[in-house]
Amino acid sequence: DTAVSQTPKYLVTQMGNDKSIKCEQNLGHDTMYWYKQDSKKFLKIMFSYNNKELIINETVPNRFSPKSPDKAHLNLHINSLELGDSAVYFCASSQVGVLSPLHFGNGTRLTVT
Amino acid sequence: GENVEQHPSTLSVQEGDSAVIKCTYSDSASNYFPWYKQELGKGPQLIIDIRSNVGEKKDQRIAVTLNKTAKHFSLHITETQPEDSAVYFCAANPKAAGNKLTFGGGTRVLVKP
Repeated sequence: DTAVSQTPKYLVTQMGNDKSIKCEQNLGHDTMYWYKQDSKKFLKIMFSYNNKELIINETVPNRFSPKSPDKAHLNLHINSLELGDSAVYFCASSQVGVLSPLHFGNGTRLTVT
Repeated sequence: GENVEQHPSTLSVQEGDSAVIKCTYSDSASNYFPWYKQELGKGPQLIIDIRSNVGEKKDQRIAVTLNKTAKHFSLHITETQPEDSAVYFCAANPKAAGNKLTFGGGTRVLVKP
């Protein structure tokens, strides 16, 4: 009965490769997000989608491309991976509205060697 | 800027003692202040939140206080237990940041038995 699930949990890859992280939520939420947590635990929003439409796109390199096939899924594709992309990536969802709590997945730890 | 400052970065307490984490925010238009707990290997989970029309909220051993004039809010955990050990994040929704949740830098809490 996992609310927000993302796969894989761990991802180890070499520089220059392309990889994807998948996220699904079964909470019926309309809004989904991608957050990046660096080695110092700092959490920063990358993207936000509302009902499959991109509404927030922070200053993220265009090597990162989110895709939302439906409102329950938000995948993250990363091209030409770099060492600095190593981090934990969290998917989250919420109901519509700025005062709605975020529900996070358990994260994908990406290591680029 | 739309900063949320969180202190301390680490906090060690003896089991049974209280723990207090403080956050300050810069945008006086912020009106939503959630607190998240992140356990090892998991995503952040909402533990309590407060809206700007309330000065204090309590849920069992956890309480949050908000001082809108001073633009700071605090998390209080009483009668700490080893399972309270985790990283805690505060957040606010600065209007200047489009109401996106902006997170503090996190506090690593260690409860010693």
